[in-house]
Amino acid sequence: DAGVIQSPRHEVTEMGQEVTLRCKPISGHDYLFWYRQTMMRGLELLIYFNNNVPIDDSGMPEDRFSAKMPNASFSTLKIQPSEPRDSAVYFCASTNKGNQPQHFGDGTRLSIL
Amino acid sequence: SQQGEEDPQALSIQEGENATMNCSYKTSINNLQWYRQNSGRGLVHLILIRSNEREKHSGRLRVTLDTSKKSSSLLITASRAADTASYFCATAYGNNRLAFGKGNQVVVIP
Repeated sequence: DAGVIQSPRHEVTEMGQEVTLRCKPISGHDYLFWYRQTMMRGLELLIYFNNNVPIDDSGMPEDRFSAKMPNASFSTLKIQPSEPRDSAVYFCASTNKGNQPQHFGDGTRLSIL
Repeated sequence: SQQGEEDPQALSIQEGENATMNCSYKTSINNLQWYRQNSGRGLVHLILIRSNEREKHSGRLRVTLDTSKKSSSLLITASRAADTASYFCATAYGNNRLAFGKGNQVVVIP
């Protein structure tokens, strides 16, 4: 079975550019989570969806960040405009039931110059 | 504040030895989960222990949960070089979210 698929795996771009990260969850999973991982702050939950609806976006740092889930098999996390402090590894995870084990993608390593 | 706080250790052990790491949390939980992360990869779920369980085994892994002390431990027995990774605990406390700790880095020397 295919796991959670994220793209791109690596992204290097200049400050001010728009960045779009993509995620395909495991088929049949109703919950999708976006996390950001840094050495300083660890793994932070940014937003999660249930049945394609955003439930909690309290972790989204600021208005420059937005996330969408247009259908059950696709989600995007967008940063516009990007800043150097957004550099991190961004993970997407999915699960079929809240509070149950989450399946993570291999992340997108984002570097903003 | 974030729940699921491991003892912030970097553990270096010889192959064949046991590795133990601890996790504490602050409020009531539904369950506690342990994950492993290899370098450059996503987190992989290892084991889940429910709030009404005290101990659970899975292969070479043993997890304990003490709800009175709000703490958990993960024991890896007979460690192997392939166990080299970061290990995270995560607490589930009823709102469909998991709160992850900062992780423990374990290095197993062949």
